[in-house]
Amino acid sequence: EIVLTQSPGTLSLSPGERATLSCRASQSVSSSYLAWYQQKPGQAPRLLIYGASSRATGIPDRFSGSGSGTDFTLTISRLEPEDFAVYYCQQYGSSRVTFGQGTKLEIK
Amino acid sequence: EVQLVESGGGLVQPGGSLRLSCAASGFTFSSYWMSWVRQAPGKGLEWVANIKQDGSEKYYVDSVKGRFTISRDNAKNSLYLQMNSLRAEDTAVYYCARVVYAIDYYYYMDVWGKGTTVTVSS
Repeated sequence: EIVLTQSPGTLSLSPGERATLSCRASQSVSSSYLAWYQQKPGQAPRLLIYGASSRATGIPDRFSGSGSGTDFTLTISRLEPEDFAVYYCQQYGSSRVTFGQGTKLEIK
Repeated sequence: EVQLVESGGGLVQPGGSLRLSCAASGFTFSSYWMSWVRQAPGKGLEWVANIKQDGSEKYYVDSVKGRFTISRDNAKNSLYLQMNSLRAEDTAVYYCARVVYAIDYYYYMDVWGKGTTVTVSS
């Protein structure tokens, strides 16, 4: 099973700042099968990025994804108040899905 | 409007059974793989199971294999999760999700329901 490790566990930033979230895989992951989700308290997850770098429909362009192999990054260029949430990476391989443990992005 | 609505959650004793349902609307249900994903209280997301469009392929996380069964009824636009031999660690919010999957191109879950809560306790 591929394990995804997200870092940091918690990221404290202010609105307007840049956020960089990391997702590291225990073995190589196809970029095609790497996605990012945002989840706010009491809500279902929301798809942000698929294929490692493609934005989902309706996602603002301040969100971007990059990476390949075992290292992937979600970047939020200028934080808006509504961006403070928990972020998960997810991979698919060998007919199985795994999620990272999440990064909580909190207001500093 | 594309929508997924889960139902069937509740309180059940350890060793008991529960059947979750997910009603899909606003899209051609039979064209998509579907998934169940759960989230224990205060914890992260955990994928539970996947099912192919025609139900011919099903995959499970190891911790539920042999206890849970995913199924679908395309005529009723519905997804199900039969949960048997429930344990305290199965306590979670269970989400159904639409999967967009094209081999070698992409795999992601683009539509999620609001979830249904399962509590396993005596």
